[in-house]
Amino acid sequence: GAGVSQTPSNKVTEKGKYVELRCDPISGHTALYWYRQSLGQGPEFLIYFQGTGAADDSGLPNDRFFAVRPEGSVSTLKIQRTERGDSAVYLCASSQGDEAFFGQGTRLTVV
Amino acid sequence: GENVEQHPSTLSVQEGDSAVIKCTYSDSASNYFPWYKQELGKGPQLIIDIRSNVGEKKDQRIAVTLNKTAKHFSLHITETQPEDSAVYFCAAILSGNTPLVFGKGTRLSVIA
Repeated sequence: GAGVSQTPSNKVTEKGKYVELRCDPISGHTALYWYRQSLGQGPEFLIYFQGTGAADDSGLPNDRFFAVRPEGSVSTLKIQRTERGDSAVYLCASSQGDEAFFGQGTRLTVV
Repeated sequence: GENVEQHPSTLSVQEGDSAVIKCTYSDSASNYFPWYKQELGKGPQLIIDIRSNVGEKKDQRIAVTLNKTAKHFSLHITETQPEDSAVYFCAAILSGNTPLVFGKGTRLSVIA
């Protein structure tokens, strides 16, 4: 596609529920990144894929967070037993080389 | 790991004036330094970047300078316009598909 696409753009969920956030990277980009951005802060790294494998998941805050990229293209970020503190904008980026291009983000609100 | 500090956190300038945003980084091995512009409700947009083998790069009204010895780099916007109003983020990485480390951002307001 022309750019990185994230769905949904907004998600409101109840505390304790499970959510999935989707990222469609730029076609041909082998690297895919998930970041989390809280209000007034810069993006914070969560996990990075090179192809299908997670090359670095050191940013995942705990075991409630998991991400997959089974075919090396689309990725899904999964959050179990959501907590109010998980509320943030979740950003996805892809790259082929150093230049990383971001999607518009998914705003997750846990009520 | 890398740590990026950015300042100021907010900056207001009159239309037509220049704006300068400064960042420092901690890892001397970092060699790629992009700048992103983020408008309300949108994802960060790459506006300019610089690699460690050059000291300055320009693109129309935007320029970035890098001082490797001091480990700091700056974004310069000249002839600012109201549409330049946004949050700007600097970042640093060691080149090679490693995750970007971002500063906390600068909210730039250009007053017409």
